[in-house]
Amino acid sequence: QSALTQPRSVSGSPGQSVTISCTGTSSDVGGYNLVSWYRQHPGKAPKLMIYRVSERPSGVPDRFSGSKSGNTASLTISGLQAEDEADYYCCSYAGSYIPWVFGGGTKLTVL
Amino acid sequence: EVQLVESGGGLVQPGGSLRLSCAASGFMFSTYWMSWVRQAPGKGLEWVANIKEDGSEKYYVDSVRGRFTISRDNAENSLYLQMKSLGADDTAVYYCARDVGDRGAFDPWGQGTLVTVSS
Repeated sequence: QSALTQPRSVSGSPGQSVTISCTGTSSDVGGYNLVSWYRQHPGKAPKLMIYRVSERPSGVPDRFSGSKSGNTASLTISGLQAEDEADYYCCSYAGSYIPWVFGGGTKLTVL
Repeated sequence: EVQLVESGGGLVQPGGSLRLSCAASGFMFSTYWMSWVRQAPGKGLEWVANIKEDGSEKYYVDSVRGRFTISRDNAENSLYLQMKSLGADDTAVYYCARDVGDRGAFDPWGQGTLVTVSS
């Protein structure tokens, strides 16, 4: 089972929007609508930001949105704020044998 | 408040064993799948194992299958990870996380416990 592919880094200025991609295969991202996204600040535990491709948990700002097309899922953060600077990880269900696979992570820098 | 607190990490020699624990509170532990996820220093997240609500099903990533055993005690609201034949590649922060089945996601996560495999 290979990790999902994410860009190593993305950046944007405050107020701008950025999109982070997460590419898998038809056996994971493309096969199920069970993609989630996590934000991780340095030294902290990951926090759920998006589940089921595009759903936001309560308390997560609507600046965060998710989508999927084929084998690629995307996280878009609009109105960038300094607090958004963190590592972001996607995760997808991948079937019953090895159920979950993460992306390699993307470092978001707010310029 | 939903809370997960890991313990049991530390320094262990190559080939050694270690047992991690995760104490759950603030939710009905016995009704959720639970997972262990690890993160090697400076690296990304890697799902390690999960266990069904009643412990009847367990799944593992290939790299730990046969060496790690996930278990739970619903009476004690606790999750465990027994690790043996540890190698340097197992050095990581180990997080326990609640599997929110209908969301297909992990929420919340514990603060993590560091396992260092070194001589």
